[in-house]
Amino acid sequence: SQQGEEDPQALSIQEGENATMNCSYKTSINNLQWYRQNSGRGLVHLILIRSNEREKHSGRLRVTLDTSKKSSSLLITASRAADTASYFCATSGSRDDKIIFGKGTRLHILP
Amino acid sequence: ETGVTQSPTHLIKTRGQQVTLRCSSQSGHNTVSWYQQALGQGPQFIFQYYREEENGRGNFPPRFSGLQFPNYSSELNVNALELDDSALYLCASSIDRRVGTQYFGPGTRLTVL
Repeated sequence: SQQGEEDPQALSIQEGENATMNCSYKTSINNLQWYRQNSGRGLVHLILIRSNEREKHSGRLRVTLDTSKKSSSLLITASRAADTASYFCATSGSRDDKIIFGKGTRLHILP
Repeated sequence: ETGVTQSPTHLIKTRGQQVTLRCSSQSGHNTVSWYQQALGQGPQFIFQYYREEENGRGNFPPRFSGLQFPNYSSELNVNALELDDSALYLCASSIDRRVGTQYFGPGTRLTVL
């Protein structure tokens, strides 16, 4: 079973706009990560946020975490064509070392 | 520093056959995890190996088995292949089993006919 659920399932925006994706999860976590996947190939790690952190930035990426609501969001600012990809959230629980992925958000940046 | 590599890139097998997929972990990493990703889905955790020992397993039947070697490279073996085993198989390595960030290989696309 999958822990995280991304929302929306698919998103199309104009180049230059901001893209926001959300992730909800069910059980307590140690940390939450976001990954990007291009064209069904390997995943690329974007950012990791720990359960005691509320916000983290990396370049054009901003991730927030609300443990009371069991949710996270990924914001990509000033989107580019190269941002077209699937984005997955992945959670690590406090009891084991497994990383559980959601089903992903397919982001399409329109020229 | 070399990244995670996987072989082969693509593979076609028939139902009932057996398959072995290979993964070389990133230099300095002692932990390898394997995932199955069906089309349009997120990766599903199969199992993890840490210092040659299995360190956690997902909801996959025993016909999915693995090995990790002293150089921390790894194999995934699947026996008695079924049509539903068709998927992208991803290997990821990490510095240690308790460090969150994983570095993924490009995957092996398995098609079972």
